[in-house]
Formats: sequence, structure tokens, C-alpha cells
Amino acid sequence: EDKVVQSPLSLVVHEGDTVTLNCSYEVTNFRSLLWYKQEKKAPTFLFMLTSSGIEKKSGRLSSILDKKELFSILNITATQTGDSAVYLCAAYSGAGSYQLTFGKGTKLSVIP
Amino acid sequence: NAGVTQTPKFRVLKTGQSMTLLCAQDMNHEYMYWYRQDPGMGLRLIHYSVGEGTTAKGEVPDGYNVSRLKKQNFLLGLESAAPSQTSVYFCASRDTTGAETQYFGPGTRLLVL
Repeated sequence: EDKVVQSPLSLVVHEGDTVTLNCSYEVTNFRSLLWYKQEKKAPTFLFMLTSSGIEKKSGRLSSILDKKELFSILNITATQTGDSAVYLCAAYSGAGSYQLTFGKGTKLSVIP
Repeated sequence: NAGVTQTPKFRVLKTGQSMTLLCAQDMNHEYMYWYRQDPGMGLRLIHYSVGEGTTAKGEVPDGYNVSRLKKQNFLLGLESAAPSQTSVYFCASRDTTGAETQYFGPGTRLLVL
């Protein structure tokens, strides 16, 4: 059974802190890993990772994939209250890579 | 370009009633998906479609049916609603080429009493 596990499940930090969110996966025929941010409504896309060791960056957010150890991390530097959200990790698997298996998410709360 | 839209936004049903949730996308995407999201459970795939006229079961298909008669629409039906189907339902779509990003609709909140 395909599995994506995120840790921690929740995290409270102060503005300005740096956080690291973890995602490990066990999926058949792994193809790619995606990170989403969800604030109250629909998940919005952050990153897609397919190759090991290549960092993807967008402003204060960055992510990297390790296909040997089967995990990914999402870093957020200089956190702001607007970063408060649930961060979802998901992996494509299977021969047709049609289906995404999601983790349960990490709820990040940034307090002033 | 509205992206992915869902109707209705919110609905209350009584146990045993039926309803259909509509998902529409204007991005000409081949793949469409229905998920449900429950507290502490993440997003779980109900059904998906890889093209007009095709559907397939996901992780939690029981109690739901789907149809994809037109490429831009994906319907999710509940024939006899149960309290266990109280959830937030998200539709998503994806292109077959290039990036494999799934784009999500705003969600439908369903309460079954």
C-alpha cells in the first residue's frame, strides 16, 4: 500500500523563525513528489520534485528530494504570520502515475 | 479563465437523500479527480478520470458514483447519503503533458444529518 508520512503533524513558531517540514514516502513506481499549501480552502501548488538533490526555491520557501532515502523537506525561512497554513506532501505512483497519495499534512502556526 | 469550479459550495442532506456535486474545468485537462478531506486524514482519492467517458476507483470509492460525459465536467454522485459522508469534497484536474500539477477547485462542504 502506498504511503506518505509527514512530520510533525503540527508546529507553532514565532515570526522570523526557520522551519523544516518533513515528508517520507513509500510508493510503487515513484514518479514525483509535490508540496501544496492549504489555507482554509483549496490546496495551492508550491513545488514539484522529480530529481534527487536539486533544490527548488520560491522566495523564502525551498524544497529538496532524496530518492535514495525516500524523503523530502520543505524549508521556510524568516517565517511570517501569512505562512500559517497546512502544508501537504503528495507523491505520484503507479504505472500510469495518475494518482496522488497525500500525507496528512503539517499544520504550521506562526505567532507574532 | 476560471480554472476549476465546484457547485454547490455548501449543502446539508438528510440520511438517505441523494445529490450530485459538479466539477467543471476550463483548462482542457484530460485528468480529473474527486477527493474528500476529513480532519486529521489528509486528502483521500474517491474516483478519478483519465479522459472523457472513462472513470476509475480511488482509495475510498464506496458510496459514490461518478460520470465524465464531457471532458470539462466531472460529476460525483451520492445515491443514499450517510453521516459518514460528511466531509469537504475537492475536485482537481491535471494536464497529461508537461507539469504534473493538480489544480484544485474551492471545495464543497457537505453535511449529512
